Parts: sequence; structure tokens; C-alpha cells
Amino acid sequence: KQEVTQIPAALSVPEGENLVLNCSFTDSAIYNLQWFRQDPGKGLTSLLLIQSSQREQTSGRLNASLDKSSGRSTLYIAASQPGDSATYLCAVKSNTGKLIFGQGTTLQVKP
Amino acid sequence: DGGITQSPKYLFRKEGQNVTLSCEQNLNHDAMYWYRQDPGQGLRLIYYSQIVNDFQKGDIAEGYSVSREKKESFPLTVTSAQKNPTAFYLCASSQGRAGYNEQFFGPGTRLTVL
Repeated sequence: KQEVTQIPAALSVPEGENLVLNCSFTDSAIYNLQWFRQDPGKGLTSLLLIQSSQREQTSGRLNASLDKSSGRSTLYIAASQPGDSATYLCAVKSNTGKLIFGQGTTLQVKP
Repeated sequence: DGGITQSPKYLFRKEGQNVTLSCEQNLNHDAMYWYRQDPGQGLRLIYYSQIVNDFQKGDIAEGYSVSREKKESFPLTVTSAQKNPTAFYLCASSQGRAGYNEQFFGPGTRLTVL
């Protein structure tokens, strides 16, 4: 059974710092991996989608990497801003087509 | 303005009542999904539909029902059989019937049982 883990559960950094969020999964037979952002009381916003054949994807200050063989993905946020404060969720798409979610990392960027 | 809409934003239910949560998308996506989110837990899949007039149970379907009569609509009914329905409910959609493409989410409905 696929399990997705995100560590740490919470992270607080000063503004301007570069940071890395971690996501690990137990079964490397994934179709793709998706990173989301969730603001309190809101829905999920898709940030990046990495197909299983890809190693990384970039969007603005965000860079996501994927290492299928080790069951890991990282989300790198450059030059963090207070507006980046949110919960970040990773989810893997299994070969059944279902998304399996981690529990998220709650990020606080202090001005 | 393309996207997914959910209504209502907040919903209150008395014990023993059935309630229906609305989800509409104008993205022309084939697949639609319902998830439940509880504090401290990840999202859990309730039901999903890959094509009109067809849907499948997810991991926690007991006490819920759905219909998919139109491509753009996938309403979720929370029945009185659902023992602990208070949660945040999220609807999502993706292009293609296999469901392997990027999923997009609606703004959510917060259901509270009084």
C-alpha cells in the first residue's frame, strides 16, 4: 500500500531564506507526483506536476525534483516571502489513477 | 473564467438529515473526484468518476452517494449513515478518463453537524 510522508510537519523561516520541503513515498511505481499549496480554509492550488520520467520541474521561484528509485521528492522555494506562508501538500499518482496525499508541511515565513 | 465551483461554502446539518454538496466544472474535464479533509490528516478519496453515468468508490465511500448525469456536474450526498460527517469537502477534476493528468481543485465546502 502506497504511503506518502512529509517531513517536517511545520517549518518557520525568516523572509528571504531558501528552503526545502521533503516528500517520501513507499512504492516507486508511481505515474506522477504533484505539489499543491493550501491556504487556511481554502482549496488546493496545483504548483507543479512531475511525470515519472522527469527529474524536475520549475515554476518561478519553485523547483520540484523527483527521485523515483529512492522514493523522494523535494520542493525548493527560493528567496521565501511572507506570502509563501501556507500548507504544502505532495501527492503521488499510483498506477490505479488515484492520488495519495501526504499530510502536508505548514510553512510560516516571518517578515 | 474556467474553473471548479463548489457550493455552498459552509453547510450545517442536523443529525439524521441528508445533505447534498454541489460541484461544477467548466474545464471540459472527463474525470471528477470528491475528497474529505480532516484536521491533521491528509485528503482521503470518497468517490470518483471517469465518465458520465459511471463512478467508483474511493477509500471512504460508506455513508456517501454520488451521481454523474452531466459531464460538468458531480454532486455528493452525505447521508445520515455517515457517522462523522463534519469535515472539509473538496471536489477536483482532471482531463482524460484515465485520471493520470494534473488534478485541479475547487474552493471546498465546510460541513458541520449540529
